[in-house]
Amino acid sequence: DAMVIQNPRYQVTQFGKPVTLSCSQTLNHNVMYWYQQKSSQAPKLLFHYYDKDFNNEADTPDNFQSRRPNTSFCFLDIRSPGLGDAAMYLCATSGPGAGVLDTQYFGPGTRLTVL
Amino acid sequence: AQTVTQSQPEMSVQEAETVTLSCTYDTSESDYYLFWYKQPPSRQMILVIRQEAYKQQNATENRFSVNFQKAAKSFSLKISDSQLGDAAMYFCAYRSSGGATNKLIFGTGTLLAVQP
Repeated sequence: DAMVIQNPRYQVTQFGKPVTLSCSQTLNHNVMYWYQQKSSQAPKLLFHYYDKDFNNEADTPDNFQSRRPNTSFCFLDIRSPGLGDAAMYLCATSGPGAGVLDTQYFGPGTRLTVL
Repeated sequence: AQTVTQSQPEMSVQEAETVTLSCTYDTSESDYYLFWYKQPPSRQMILVIRQEAYKQQNATENRFSVNFQKAAKSFSLKISDSQLGDAAMYFCAYRSSGGATNKLIFGTGTLLAVQP
């Protein structure tokens, strides 16, 4: 089945140690999103790619970076994780190719723990 | 800027009964989309139902329906014949109609418990 896949599902890192989260999709969607969701809070958009065009939210810290080497993959890099970065990170996609244009399809998330 | 408010942090319903989750939003736009997403515990977020603001008819998807009141900026979700599998966090979300990318603005969510 076409889907959004996130690896790993659980990631533990140390304070200040760079970490990379991965997202892949088989939906052939041209837009990919990264959200941060802290406990009992709503998902907060960090940035998104429209094809290769990167769009950063104004309040996304510089500590967060992203790469999209091709249509299928997108990475979230946290350069120096702090305790406040512990959260669930959700990847989502949207676009033509499957389903309704306006709908975002979410992956299962990666839960990041910072020690 | 648009905002979405869900005033019920937690709700509970008996199995087979009906429950309504509330959502209000604030916008100056006339055309937009509204969504309800469901996030079960430790599982991924999935779309439950969507509504286009230009449509007066309320959206319905099987046991799920919405009451869309544009003038009041209200978008409630009704779940009929509740099932144990409906237990989840429910998020209301807003999206502007303009632009190539559909940035979602989420409410804070309502945690729904279904009692057997």
